[in-house]
Amino acid sequence: AQTVTQSQPEMSVQEAETVTLSCTYDTSESDYYLFWYKQPPSRQMILVIRQEAYKQQNATENRFSVNFQKAAKSFSLKISDSQLGDAAMYFCAYRSAFRNGGSQGNLIFGKGTKLSVKP
Amino acid sequence: KAGVTQTPRYLIKTRGQQVTLSCSPISGHRSVSWYQQTPGQGLQFLFEYFSETQRNKGNFPGRFSGRQFSNSRSEMNVSTLELGDSALYLCASSQPGQGKVGELFFGEGSRLTVL
Repeated sequence: AQTVTQSQPEMSVQEAETVTLSCTYDTSESDYYLFWYKQPPSRQMILVIRQEAYKQQNATENRFSVNFQKAAKSFSLKISDSQLGDAAMYFCAYRSAFRNGGSQGNLIFGKGTKLSVKP
Repeated sequence: KAGVTQTPRYLIKTRGQQVTLSCSPISGHRSVSWYQQTPGQGLQFLFEYFSETQRNKGNFPGRFSGRQFSNSRSEMNVSTLELGDSALYLCASSQPGQGKVGELFFGEGSRLTVL
């Protein structure tokens, strides 16, 4: 079974600085997707960034980028120029590329990292 | 476009009761999945429905059940409530072939407290 581990329960960053959140995963599959989801205090989770395992190039979305190390099964999130609105719980998630009859929603989540941004 | 709507947002039940939670997906989305979020266990997958059929089921007891209607709205039911069922229940919708593969759109959740 696949597992996702986030070893940092809490992190703190100064506004405008850069912070990296760590995530490791375990799988025997070769094709899969990795995600970082953000859950602000209002609780509605949103997708921050997505990585396809077969793509070597690291995904980037504006101030958010990932460092995907497939062999090491590591998937860290870097937030540059941190803003107060980045304060939230961040969840790393895994999804198999195999789709059971069109299944989309079976994500395996890590326990999350609570990010605080200091003004 | 309206987002994912979950009702009720908050509810309190006592042990042994049952509860039904509702989820209206984004218009056009036919896949609805449910997650249980607790401080101890984190986010755990409950089940997923697609076009009224259960596609996937997580490792939860049979007290947890769900269904999906022809308009893609989904309900989940928990019978014989236990204290450990206290959690935030999140619903997420998606549509295969639209947007990014694996991207789920979440509702704000239903906070269930079991006394």
